[in-house]
Amino acid sequence: AQSVTQPDIHITVSEGASLELRCNYSYGATPYLFWYVQSPGQGLQLLLKYFSGDTLVQGIKGFEAEFKRSQSSFNLRKPSVHWSDAAEYFCALTSGGSYIPTFGRGTSLIVHP
Amino acid sequence: DTEVTQTPKHLVMGMTNKKSLKCEQHMGHRAMYWYKQKAKKPPELMFVYSYEKLSINESVPSRFSPECPNSSLLNLHLHALQPEDSALYLCASSQVSRTANEKLFFGSGTQLSVL
Repeated sequence: AQSVTQPDIHITVSEGASLELRCNYSYGATPYLFWYVQSPGQGLQLLLKYFSGDTLVQGIKGFEAEFKRSQSSFNLRKPSVHWSDAAEYFCALTSGGSYIPTFGRGTSLIVHP
Repeated sequence: DTEVTQTPKHLVMGMTNKKSLKCEQHMGHRAMYWYKQKAKKPPELMFVYSYEKLSINESVPSRFSPECPNSSLLNLHLHALQPEDSALYLCASSQVSRTANEKLFFGSGTQLSVL
């Protein structure tokens, strides 16, 4: 069975500080990995995705993520956080066996001015 | 057009009411999804339609009835709901890909309150 773990329920950062949100996955082969962002009262928007190739993936809004097979991780990073980045962030996984994503429980990002 | 449009944005209904949620996309996607999301939780899959046929029903109670009239529209008919059904209902669409690497496009959701 496949699973996604986001160990941090909340992360608080100051505006302008760097950010890293953690995501670990469990799957026997190479998964397809996604990061989605959800602002309050809105749907989810894709930030970036990893399928194969370069393990450092660039996304929208200045986000990037790095796939590390040895650590079963796909952590999301941003060098300088803006107040508008405050939102819920979901890591998700699909696999060759199913196109239905498995979501992590989400990490709530709080940005202090 | 890369949008998934959901109506209404907000809905308040009593436990004896019948209402419907609507979802529309014009991206040519042949997979459409209904998700239920409680506050501060990830989306929970309810139904998946693939090529206008119901392919996945995640053991959802019969008071929720999905319908896919054509490749662009997805409805969720609601009847005799319970207060615990209050949640954000999200519609999503995607290409159907054998490689499972297609992203989901989400609508903004319908915030449902059952009184």
